[in-house]
Amino acid sequence: QSVLTQPASVSGSPGQSITISCTGSSSDDDDYNYVSWYQQHAGKAPKLMIYDVTYRPSGVSDRFSGSRSGNTASLTISGLQAEDEAAYYCSSFTSSSTLAFGGGTKVTVL
Amino acid sequence: EVQLVESGGDLVQPGRSLRLSCVASGFAFDECAMHWVRQAPGRGLEWVSGIGWSSASINYADSVRGRFTISRDNAKNSLYLEMNSLRPDDTALYYCARAPRGFYTHMDVWGKGTTVTVSS
Repeated sequence: QSVLTQPASVSGSPGQSITISCTGSSSDDDDYNYVSWYQQHAGKAPKLMIYDVTYRPSGVSDRFSGSRSGNTASLTISGLQAEDEAAYYCSSFTSSSTLAFGGGTKVTVL
Repeated sequence: EVQLVESGGDLVQPGRSLRLSCVASGFAFDECAMHWVRQAPGRGLEWVSGIGWSSASINYADSVRGRFTISRDNAKNSLYLEMNSLRPDDTALYYCARAPRGFYTHMDVWGKGTTVTVSS
């Protein structure tokens, strides 16, 4: 069973780059081949931003990118903009055949 | 337009039951896995349950296993969540979401959600 840990908050100034980490508790790297990232603005439904660790759905800005090293996945937002202020959640398949979400990271644009 | 519309949320007393529905449109519903995800007030996302396109694959979060039942009717483009023995900590906004490439991968379309409140 994987638990996904994210920082509670990350902040940055407009134009800067920020990175949100998502660390899993499972030691099996194969558990993290399908990490996805979701953006959720206040009062709105989540929106898929990244899937399969690094892939961007059509229509998502190329300022958003994903990566992974071992059991830690990361979402990087480049050229931070005011509209990027939102909560971000990582998600992954678990070894018990369920899905898990990280606790969420609130991104603040200073 | 690809769309998911949830309904059925309500205020119910602890111990009672409720059935949520999600109607899909604009895509081949019978080719996609589907999930229910909930969000308690002021909290993060919690995966609740998922079902494969043919209903052969079904799984639940530990917090709802044995109390909730997921099902689908591909002829009606509909997903359901039967919730029994409801508890106050089931209070949340319930979203249905599409998983286009299989049960364990990403969710690319989400509904707006339906609110379940469990309180006496």
